[in-house]
Amino acid sequence: RKEVEQDPGPFNVPEGATVAFNCTYSNSASQSFFWYRQDCRKEPKLLMSVYSSGNEDGRFTAQLNRASQYISLLIRDSKLSDSATYLCVVNVGGWDTNAGKSTFGDGTTLTVKP
Amino acid sequence: DAGVIQSPRHEVTEMGQEVTLRCKPISGHNSLFWYRQTMMRGLELLIYFNNNVPIDDSGMPEDRFSAKMPNASFSTLKIQPSEPRDSAVYFCASSFLIGQPQHFGDGTRLSIL
Repeated sequence: RKEVEQDPGPFNVPEGATVAFNCTYSNSASQSFFWYRQDCRKEPKLLMSVYSSGNEDGRFTAQLNRASQYISLLIRDSKLSDSATYLCVVNVGGWDTNAGKSTFGDGTTLTVKP
Repeated sequence: DAGVIQSPRHEVTEMGQEVTLRCKPISGHNSLFWYRQTMMRGLELLIYFNNNVPIDDSGMPEDRFSAKMPNASFSTLKIQPSEPRDSAVYFCASSFLIGQPQHFGDGTRLSIL
């Protein structure tokens, strides 16, 4: 079993749709979590951190479920520009520690169509 | 502020040649990561450093790969001798602490003929 697993998709949705991605992790000691976005032939870029209480940034909402060991990303009112691959990252070390290791999921591909 | 700077952006060379990839992390960041990305294998962590010291090199595929970080502002990833299967995009990333978000460079697109 992989340490971090994502549904690879692709998710094909129309503009304006709401779409959600999940990411499961196997190490219960994981402490910090992130969502990255990667456009074709570009580098991964941080989309948002995932906080224990859940957090929102505009149309994007991230949540953490420690009991079931998964994080989620919800995108509301999808735009064409949201088309990308979304990578989840799980880190065993905490936000304020200099220990641990980050593991990237393989990514979920989203295509938003007109 | 300058981000992570990688060079070269593109490299095409023949198999058997030595390849050196370079990375300058964001100033003040203590952790540096080298990744390789291919369609088949996705994003793979090769090695990472903390305060210039290699912490985990278990992702380095074989002895042909080596990485150094002689100071806080510079790191290299070397492949010698190179093989066609090493063709990939190599990313360098840095973060303030290991547990904090990583910032990626633009990557080096490496093609070994």
